[in-house]
Amino acid sequence: EVQLLESGGGLVQPGGSLRLSCAASGFTFRSYAVSWVRQAPGKGLEWVSGISGSGGTTHYADSVKGRFTISRDNSKNTLYLQMNSLRAEDTAVYYCAKDRVAVAGGMDVWGQGTTVTVSS
Amino acid sequence: QSALTQPRSVSGSPGQSVTISCTGTSSDVGGYNYVSWYQQHPGKAPKLMIYDVNKRPSGVPDRFSGSKSGNTASLTISGLQAEDEADYYCCSYAGSYSYVFGTGTKVTVL
Repeated sequence: EVQLLESGGGLVQPGGSLRLSCAASGFTFRSYAVSWVRQAPGKGLEWVSGISGSGGTTHYADSVKGRFTISRDNSKNTLYLQMNSLRAEDTAVYYCAKDRVAVAGGMDVWGQGTTVTVSS
Repeated sequence: QSALTQPRSVSGSPGQSVTISCTGTSSDVGGYNYVSWYQQHPGKAPKLMIYDVNKRPSGVPDRFSGSKSGNTASLTISGLQAEDEADYYCCSYAGSYSYVFGTGTKVTVL
């Protein structure tokens, strides 16, 4: 079964750091671009960051550029999101999602999400 | 990287059709044939309903259809059913492994 499973969420103070992980199974992980997408409480979906299958290309939303770093370990079939200098507005459910094909073409597999709360 | 514009809500009676618009720019919707649509029920992860503007993944009912003209994409739900009540988001590829989502539309089945 094709599956993504996020972990690493929790409560963190403003200015703190957190690292999210997304474990992939059931498909050839290295062959697909993957993204992090977040949803603040009661709000819509926001694409946060994406990375190519090889890990050689990354892209970030302006709202997190310079604070978040996306990476992947294809030997461990795992995607990461290092989040630094966290702000209250980063509070959200964070989903990882796999591109349907190598790149673009929509995101066909989503994890269940992990909740990040930034509060003092 | 501005969000694509969608109506906040649309509604229809069972059996009717509803259409949700999604307006972007030439840098996203108008620049690529990679518009996708997602259905999200409360507390659940989004589900891919349409990809590449007008293609349906296996298992998605043919009541769901997509189209695009210029910088505006549309999702039409025909023969509306109670289980279609959910939030719907459009999404466009924007180049360099990046995406932009729409503002989201709540579909209510009357």
